[in-house]
Amino acid sequence: TQTVSQSDAHVTVFEGDSVELRCNYSYGGSIYLSWYIQHHGHGLQFLLKYYSGNPVVQGVNGFEAEFSKSDSSFHLRKASVHWSDSAVYFCAVSHMNYGSSGNKLIFGIGTLLSVKP
Amino acid sequence: AQTIHQWPVAEIKAVGSPLSLGCTIKGKSSPNLYWYWQATGGTLQQLFYSITVGQVESVVQLNLSASRPKDDQFILSTEKLLLSHSGFYLCAWSTGGDSDYTFGSGTRLLVI
Repeated sequence: TQTVSQSDAHVTVFEGDSVELRCNYSYGGSIYLSWYIQHHGHGLQFLLKYYSGNPVVQGVNGFEAEFSKSDSSFHLRKASVHWSDSAVYFCAVSHMNYGSSGNKLIFGIGTLLSVKP
Repeated sequence: AQTIHQWPVAEIKAVGSPLSLGCTIKGKSSPNLYWYWQATGGTLQQLFYSITVGQVESVVQLNLSASRPKDDQFILSTEKLLLSHSGFYLCAWSTGGDSDYTFGSGTRLLVI
């Protein structure tokens, strides 16, 4: 069974601060990990993903995430946040399922990031 | 460019009434299609997926059904709404494998 854990329900920072949003997963097979952002009242937008290779992946708007197999983690980071980064961030995991009946993306509970001016 | 359109944007419906939500994808042939449900303040739960016309797989039983009558269309429906159906319904598509999902802007449903 795949699970995704986001330990922080709400993170508050000031504009210009750095931030790390945590994500831990459990799954024994070959997976890929991703982060999505949801602004209030809107659908989700893809930020970045990791499957293999360099464990640090770059996404849009200055976000990056680092995969750690030993920690079973895929934390999202940004060096300097802007007020427009305020949103809910979802970590997601899916197992590789080529040619089969769809791939199921499992989401964590989400972390609300509030950026104060 | 691919576009995904969901309708309606929002609905207020009475318990026991029928529901039909739609999703259309343009610019991509044979996409994998998905319906997700999000309770207020909650995470997303996959309800259905479809990899081809006429075939839909149910992931969670919530007294809802889904159909894919055309390659670019995915419909979510029920004949009798429950209070627990309230929430935010999101349609998404992907090309499978490790491709990312593209989500629609969602339909907000309130059942009273």
